[in-house]
Amino acid sequence: LAKTTQPISMDSYEGQEVNITCSHNNIATNDYITWYQQFPSQGPRFIIQGYKTKVTNEVASLFIPADRKSSTLSLPRVSLSDTAVYYCLPMFSGGYNKLIFGAGTRLAVHP
Amino acid sequence: EAGVTQFPSHSVIEKGQTVTLRCDPISGHDNLYWYRRVMGKEIKFLLHFVKESKQDESGMPNNRFLAERTGGTYSTLKVQPAELEDSGVYFCASSHLREEQFFGPGTRLTVL
Repeated sequence: LAKTTQPISMDSYEGQEVNITCSHNNIATNDYITWYQQFPSQGPRFIIQGYKTKVTNEVASLFIPADRKSSTLSLPRVSLSDTAVYYCLPMFSGGYNKLIFGAGTRLAVHP
Repeated sequence: EAGVTQFPSHSVIEKGQTVTLRCDPISGHDNLYWYRRVMGKEIKFLLHFVKESKQDESGMPNNRFLAERTGGTYSTLKVQPAELEDSGVYFCASSHLREEQFFGPGTRLTVL
């Protein structure tokens, strides 16, 4: 599975849009990009998944360019409750989905 | 719909003792996964069940760890004997077919 690189940490303020970019230069043709969120003392929680272009749901948007070597998770108008660790994970679509976690990005939202 | 549950939430044992962790997946989810995070490290995959069969146990650290899923419902992860380096948070996740994984809150294991 592709190795991913994300910023270790980010800071933002309430009401701002936050964009977290993940690089995955050697992503395989059959890999999707999945993002999970983890709050302290909880297990990771699925946010969004995509293969190419743009995907949007009620929580976030995911932008994946044509070369698929990176992806950007966009959180609109963050609140304090969005403070969490965000993981970018390649996920093989053709088989069972063993998740390979990196260090993730620790997002701190300030008042 | 109930989520993934894990028991206990915390466990403190002494080195050499045995501990059994339990995971109840979401009803109807055939896939069940165990992961763990040891202090300061990333979350690591341990193994994957499809129903009662072990599909992938490549992440199991050694033979002190034994996972079972009799009947294809709940799963247990036994550590015997426990060592200091086994301390960490053990997560269980379940999924339907090849869809997103739903994680439990984890069991925090401390080995003294």
